[in-house]
Parts: sequence; C-alpha cells; structure tokens
Amino acid sequence: ETGVTQSPTHLIKTRGQQVTLRCSSQSGHNTVSWYQQALGQGPQFIFQYYREEENGRGNFPPRFSGLQFPNYSSELNVNALELDDSALYLCASSFPGQAIGELFFGEGSRLTVL
Amino acid sequence: QKEVEQNSGPLSVPEGAIASLNCTYSDRGSQSFFWYRQYSGKSPELIMSIYSNGDKEDGRFTAQLNKASQYVSLLIRDSQPSDSATYLCAVGSSNTGKLIFGQGTTLQVKP
Repeated sequence: ETGVTQSPTHLIKTRGQQVTLRCSSQSGHNTVSWYQQALGQGPQFIFQYYREEENGRGNFPPRFSGLQFPNYSSELNVNALELDDSALYLCASSFPGQAIGELFFGEGSRLTVL
Repeated sequence: QKEVEQNSGPLSVPEGAIASLNCTYSDRGSQSFFWYRQYSGKSPELIMSIYSNGDKEDGRFTAQLNKASQYVSLLIRDSQPSDSATYLCAVGSSNTGKLIFGQGTTLQVKP
C-alpha cells in the first residue's frame, strides 16, 4: 500500500473521445509523475508536476496534458483518443529530496480505446 | 538501440535456484539504477536501487552494477514461486533526470 490512489481503475472509451484520470498523492509528496504502460512494455514517462508546474515531459504529443492542484493531487487528460492510447496509466508520487527513481506507484488506471 | 534493454523472457527457474536477471543501458552518464517488480495486473514496486559499481545485497536480492560495461543485474537467491513476476530495470537519465524503464523480464519460479 503506497498511499497513492488513482481513479477510475478501469474505463472504456471510443476513438476521438477525451478522458480524465485522477491521482491522489501520498501525504507530504509534492511531486507527481505520470507513466503510460502498454501491454508487454515497461512504463514510459509522460510528464511530471512539481508544485503545480510541469517539470519535465516525455515524448508524448500535446493532446496529453495534466494538472496538479494545491493539495498535490493531479489529473491526466488525453484528448482525441487513439487506439494506441490503450494502456495502463500509472501515477507516482515522491517527496522533496527523494531519489529520482524511488517512486511509489498507484495501482493504475487501465484505459481501453475501441 | 533501446535506451534500456532487457530480455523479455520468460525466464524459468526451479524453486530454490538462483534467478539472474540482466539489463544493459545506453546512457554512459547515468548514475542511478533501479529494479522494480510487477505482479500481473498490479503496479510496479521498487525492490532495489544501486548507485555505485559493485554489489548491493538486500535479503535474497543482490543488485550488481558495472558502469564500464553499462550493465546492471539482479540476482534472486532461493527463488520462491511468489517471486514469479515481471522485473523492470530502470535507469535515471543524465539528460532529463527522469526514469527510463526497460520492457521487463518475466520470471517464472516452478515448485
């Protein structure tokens, strides 16, 4: 149990729709990272938020966007969904001074795009 | 060339044996290396981190790092069926400071 909670756990969308995924960080963790994990692959870094500002972005198009709120919870928004967006979306939080790779992941949101 | 490469497996070992999982990386400037375990249908869980050349032991797990060869490995001694999972190697990028994962190696420990 990492204390990072994500919702929804599963959802199905159709191509072209929009989706919002949510993440509540562990208490005291002010940094949130989002990862996409396609079936049979390792997680890929989407972006990171620190104190409500984007702090690094991976190789994902602008239709992937995010927000971090004053309570450090976060949202991942994906517009114009494509079939290849079907994946497990993972949120990870970290606290100030924590080593970059020592992440606490939530259980993920599994998105299926039809 | 992938930034972090692992053999996808499956690697099958009998219960009680040593499982050896390997990973190579391309970024010579990387300074931080991690092993995550992911059970089927679950999220990754950090099991080891290593920052210096050599071995680091934690219980039945030993991480080995060779920066000159750009090689990281994870040894699991006395493997148990409960160790059956996908093991993800992750490397801290020297350019972005962010974590880059390999595709994972599936380990099967047979009773």
